[in-house]
Amino acid sequence: NAGVTQTPKFQVLKTGQSMTLQCAQDMNHEYMSWYRQDPGMGLRLIHYSVGAGITDQGEVPNGYNVSRSTTEDFPLRLLSAAPSQTSVYFCASRQRRTSGGAGEQFFGPGTRLTVL
Amino acid sequence: TQLLEQSPQFLSIQEGENLTVYCNSSSVFSSLQWYRQEPGEGPVLLVTVVTGGEVKKLKRLTFQFGDARKDSSLHITAAQTGDTGLYLCAGGSPGTYKYIFGTGTRLKVLA
Repeated sequence: NAGVTQTPKFQVLKTGQSMTLQCAQDMNHEYMSWYRQDPGMGLRLIHYSVGAGITDQGEVPNGYNVSRSTTEDFPLRLLSAAPSQTSVYFCASRQRRTSGGAGEQFFGPGTRLTVL
Repeated sequence: TQLLEQSPQFLSIQEGENLTVYCNSSSVFSSLQWYRQEPGEGPVLLVTVVTGGEVKKLKRLTFQFGDARKDSSLHITAAQTGDTGLYLCAGGSPGTYKYIFGTGTRLKVLA
């Protein structure tokens, strides 16, 4: 199993450009999430999905769109990039929560995005 | 808004020393997880605690969930250079599918 894969690994955009960050998992996990990581702020949830066709907003959704047409893929779209979106983006997946507590989240290697 | 504050933010210690990292909130969480992140990689789960007062041990690492499920601690005994990394706590938000991540503690263990 490849686990959670993300592409690209690095990206530089100009203000106003759009792009899609790709995320795929081969573990048949129902739940997938996108986080951004900024210095001193941990990881903040952007959008998440509890299954194909179902998405919802996290803490910092503005400027980002997601869709979940298949269980495997969960792309993140930046509509009009801004310098404030310079960050490291992580995709994560996990199984549906079982009784007794939370399930393990598996993270991809991240995409480092710079917006000039 | 639920927040998780970690302390200290940075920690530099000598190999063999003990240390404790704290994760605090005014909110109740359904579970608490600890992750370690290496440079250039995503976080990797170390442990999940779900019951107030629960203590779990992973070799030299001891994790505790507060009785009220609002805080947690990670204690490392006899730190090694391989323990160097960013430690993140994450709280399960009750009634939702979301996790709230703490601000992180960057640990450096010197040989």
